[in-house]
Amino acid sequence: QSVLTQPPSASGTPGQRVTISCSGSSSNIGSNTVNWYQQLPGTAPKRLIYSNNQRPSGVPDRFSGSKSGTSASLAISGLQSDDESDYYCAAWDDSLNGWVFGGGTKLTVL
Amino acid sequence: QVQLVESGGGVVQPGRSLRLSCAASGFTFSSYGMHWVRQAPGKGLEWVAVISYEGSNQYYADSVKGRFTISRDNSKNTLYLQMNSLRTEDTAVYYCAKDRYSYGQGIDYWGQGTLVTVSS
Repeated sequence: QSVLTQPPSASGTPGQRVTISCSGSSSNIGSNTVNWYQQLPGTAPKRLIYSNNQRPSGVPDRFSGSKSGTSASLAISGLQSDDESDYYCAAWDDSLNGWVFGGGTKLTVL
Repeated sequence: QVQLVESGGGVVQPGRSLRLSCAASGFTFSSYGMHWVRQAPGKGLEWVAVISYEGSNQYYADSVKGRFTISRDNSKNTLYLQMNSLRTEDTAVYYCAKDRYSYGQGIDYWGQGTLVTVSS
């Protein structure tokens, strides 16, 4: 049972826009910033979004992040087959004094 | 460019110990916090521990507290994870990762991981 809650799966067709949610509490998302990571099959994770909505250089602007209260979202527009991957949210938790991850969302491009 | 190379994984019996190492290059190692994150086969990511840039602060997941110790040698640009009293549920790929700042800003770079298998 992860501290941050994500849907286990999501799907969309090429060109579509999909959103992945991440729900937490006042001790994590509610008081700290959220990062998002992409993990392609068989590879190490890669940072996709940091500080709720900032994209590192090299990450396409099709990826965007947002946060409201104790929830955060990752949006992917113009869906491509290469986007088929696992996506994880993460935040520092003030009560646990540690980082927490969401359980991950497996995105399928139909 | 940032490179993180883990080593020390392998097969170990329950109750035994293992030490992982992570050799860092491509950035000023002594200026950044460092993490260990693990991923059990077919499961999601689980944060394990973080250490501040100078080593004075360490934080652990409850699942490893009291058994694992994170440490660093800034003169050798190397991060360590000493794992004692290993359990079968510790079986996972262990990733070394760099924090964006000291330890509270989150991971920006990951290593490729090293597999630890705890089995009799």
